[in-house]
Amino acid sequence: AIRITQSPSSLSASTGDRVTITCRASQGISSYLAWYQQKPGKAPKLLIYAASTLQSGVPSRFSGSGSGTDFTLTISCLQSEDFATYYCQQYYSYPPWTFGQGTKVEIK
Amino acid sequence: EVQLVESGGGLVQPGGSLRLSCAASGFTFSSYEMNWVRQAPGKGLEWVSYISSSGSTIYYADSVKGRFTISRDNAKNSLYLQMNSLRAEDTAVYYCARALRVTGNDYYYYYYMDVWGKGTTVTVSS
Repeated sequence: AIRITQSPSSLSASTGDRVTITCRASQGISSYLAWYQQKPGKAPKLLIYAASTLQSGVPSRFSGSGSGTDFTLTISCLQSEDFATYYCQQYYSYPPWTFGQGTKVEIK
Repeated sequence: EVQLVESGGGLVQPGGSLRLSCAASGFTFSSYEMNWVRQAPGKGLEWVSYISSSGSTIYYADSVKGRFTISRDNAKNSLYLQMNSLRAEDTAVYYCARALRVTGNDYYYYYYMDVWGKGTTVTVSS
């Protein structure tokens, strides 16, 4: 199974900050990576697929980049509604589909 | 509106059984592959099981293989997860998630999860 290492596990930031989260796959996954946002008590929400394609309705302050083994999610100007936990997921090699451990973005 | 609604969760003793359901609406259910994904309390997301649109292809995570059975009824727009021999470590919120298929340059199919239900909670405890 492909392992996904996500970092950091948590970060503190202020509204307006630029935030970057990274995921590293244990082997190349081309661009078959998705990013999800999850708020407490809620279901995950798809933000980005194909490493860099924004899901419909997702604000443009979210962006994704990378291919192969290294990927990045960037929030360009953090808003109050962005405080949540973010997960990456590879869908290149299955089963199993595997997720990163998550990054909790907290208010500084 | 595309919607997935899970039900059937609850408290069950170790070794017991439970059947989860997921009702789909707002899209042609029979055209989509589906998944179950779970999240233990305070933990991350774990893929559990996949079923193809026709039900002919099924996959399970090693952690549930031999104990859980995924199925679907396209006439009823419903997805199911039969869970037997439940263990404490199966305690989690269980989500059903629609799989969106993309065809790669290599003509293989790849699936990511674009729509999720709100989840149903399963607690395994004596």
